[in-house]
Amino acid sequence: GENVEQHPSTLSVQEGDSAVIKCTYSDSASNYFPWYKQELGKRPQLIIDIRSNVGEKKDQRIAVTLNKTAKHFSLHITETQPEDSAVYFCAASTPRNYGQNFVFGPGTRLSVLP
Amino acid sequence: DGGITQSPKYLFRKEGQNVTLSCEQNLNHDAMYWYRQDPGQGLRLIYYSQIVNDFQKGDIAEGYSVSREKKESFPLTVTSAQKNPTAFYLCASSIVGGFENEQFFGPGTRLTVL
Repeated sequence: GENVEQHPSTLSVQEGDSAVIKCTYSDSASNYFPWYKQELGKRPQLIIDIRSNVGEKKDQRIAVTLNKTAKHFSLHITETQPEDSAVYFCAASTPRNYGQNFVFGPGTRLSVLP
Repeated sequence: DGGITQSPKYLFRKEGQNVTLSCEQNLNHDAMYWYRQDPGQGLRLIYYSQIVNDFQKGDIAEGYSVSREKKESFPLTVTSAQKNPTAFYLCASSIVGGFENEQFFGPGTRLTVL
């Protein structure tokens, strides 16, 4: 089945710097890649997603890039702010003959230092 | 943060007992999901339901059971067959099934087996 790896597991950046989190997946049939943000003590929330027919998507300070050949996708956060501090999870969705497979990465704890 | 609720917030269980976690949504979503979150790991899919009276096993369904008799409700039972049930359980819903739509998460239930 699908396996999703995520790096780094922890990331500290200075406020205003950029942060990049990378995920790799194993199943070339995967076609949907969302990113969720989970602040301390709160529920995960979708921040951006990308489908396999698109190479890049941007929403203000966050962007996601997808390299289908290499089977990896990355989250880019520019001009980081303290409120960006959270755990970020990537995920990959893979169609199956019956239903769908959906796997999350282990998460990256991002700390933005003031 | 309204729309999808879970109860109770904290739950304690003795070994050998079954326990049922509640998940309710008033978003009129067709699909609902149950995940387990352990420290240092991503969310792992237990069960999902794309429509009333239908549900599918996820990656770690053993020792768990669900029902979907109403669109609004997707209770999860943790049975005594689950060998390591202590974890944080998250319920989610999406407007339609297929994992290619934003999932809205509940606040979670922390289950501790004594």
